[in-house]
Amino acid sequence: QSALTQPASVSGSPGQSITISCTGTNSNVGTYNFVSWYQHHPGRVPKVIIYEINRRPSGISHRFSASKSGNTASLTISGLQTEDEADYYCCSYSGHTNEYVFGTGTKVTVL
Amino acid sequence: EVQLLESGGDLVQPGRSLRLSCGASGFTFDDYAMDWVRQAPGKGLEWVSGINWSGNTDDYADSVKGRFTISRDNANKFLYLQMNSLRPEDTAFYYCVKAAGASFSGTYFDSWGRGTLVTVSS
Repeated sequence: QSALTQPASVSGSPGQSITISCTGTNSNVGTYNFVSWYQHHPGRVPKVIIYEINRRPSGISHRFSASKSGNTASLTISGLQTEDEADYYCCSYSGHTNEYVFGTGTKVTVL
Repeated sequence: EVQLLESGGDLVQPGRSLRLSCGASGFTFDDYAMDWVRQAPGKGLEWVSGINWSGNTDDYADSVKGRFTISRDNANKFLYLQMNSLRPEDTAFYYCVKAAGASFSGTYFDSWGRGTLVTVSS
């Protein structure tokens, strides 16, 4: 399957909100609720920040929220902080092929 | 604390084989599915393979199907990835990943290792 489509980069000033889109197809995002988001600081281990479309793991800031509409999932970071500067990847399960497909990745820059 | 430690990454020639290992600790290993996810230099994440808690169900990305084999040793808490017929496009950091549930179908990845680098080049 082709990678889910994300914008290559998104930027914002401290305190602002930004939204990252993740567009798939009816074979993955559009059909399944197993959409997750991962934060990856270069040189560090990727970390899950959202699972099952909009659920936050324990310890993840409430500034991270997410949703899904049709074939597109979205991640919103509110009250942007310098520590949020990282790469973000969406991921969807595809039951049609019993596999996972990641997004192309979005680099978030805090201006 | 969950810890996943990969090993086995190396520089290999195209067509050769390599086996990656991942030692797990800090959780009940045989309660969870495990996966391998890779990241080529400068590229995004790509799911490679997953295996359920018992090892009797697994699946692969089309890009590695027929060449890679995932397996696990629950007694010793190890996950493996046997990689055959390696290609230059398999060059990547390979992450050992813990799934949030017992099945690798319909879950998410809640813990990641630091990765091991596989370079396929002549």
